[in-house]
Amino acid sequence: SQTIHQWPATLVQPVGSPLSLECTVEGTSNPNLYWYRQAAGRGLQLLFYSVGIGQISSEVPQNLSASRPQDRQFILSSKKLLLSDSGFYLCAWSLRSNQPQHFGDGTRLSIL
Amino acid sequence: QKEVEQNSGPLSVPEGAIASLNCTYSDRGSQSFFWYRQYSGKSPELIMFIYSNGDKEDGRFTAQLNKASQYVSLLIRDSQPSDSATYLCAVMDSSYKLIFGSGTRLLVRP
Repeated sequence: SQTIHQWPATLVQPVGSPLSLECTVEGTSNPNLYWYRQAAGRGLQLLFYSVGIGQISSEVPQNLSASRPQDRQFILSSKKLLLSDSGFYLCAWSLRSNQPQHFGDGTRLSIL
Repeated sequence: QKEVEQNSGPLSVPEGAIASLNCTYSDRGSQSFFWYRQYSGKSPELIMFIYSNGDKEDGRFTAQLNKASQYVSLLIRDSQPSDSATYLCAVMDSSYKLIFGSGTRLLVRP
């Protein structure tokens, strides 16, 4: 069966510092991969998605970027974090674009 | 802008009752509909999905879809305190993007 790993679980970073969050999926090949952010008390906002290695689509202009260096690895990055980047970051995968998405455990990011 | 609307709640029901959670969406081109359960501090967990008009049952859960009214609901029978969580409705639009509602908080009283 498929599993998704996301780390770290929590992260506290100062404003202006860089960021790298990693997500890997096991048990499937060429999954669709997604990064979401959930602000406190709000719905999930899609940040990036990828249908294959090196293919990244960005949904909202922001301080973040994503990369997919390997088939089952998805990385969320920032060169300089802003206070507004705080939130709960969730990685998800699906078999195909029209299939259900399954989430990792998430990373709670606090910016000081 | 495509929207998915849910009552934020909390919806409070006694143990053993039926909990009814509702969701409306704005995009008539939406194709697929999902319900996720999210416990406090945890990530969303998929519990049901439905693609066609009508009802779909899985254990104590029933998803109902009415595309003409742009309405999707989730019924939880024999509600248990462990069902207390926030339930997120998600709608997949015609470009396969998932649009999430902000969730309904369900509280099941023992």
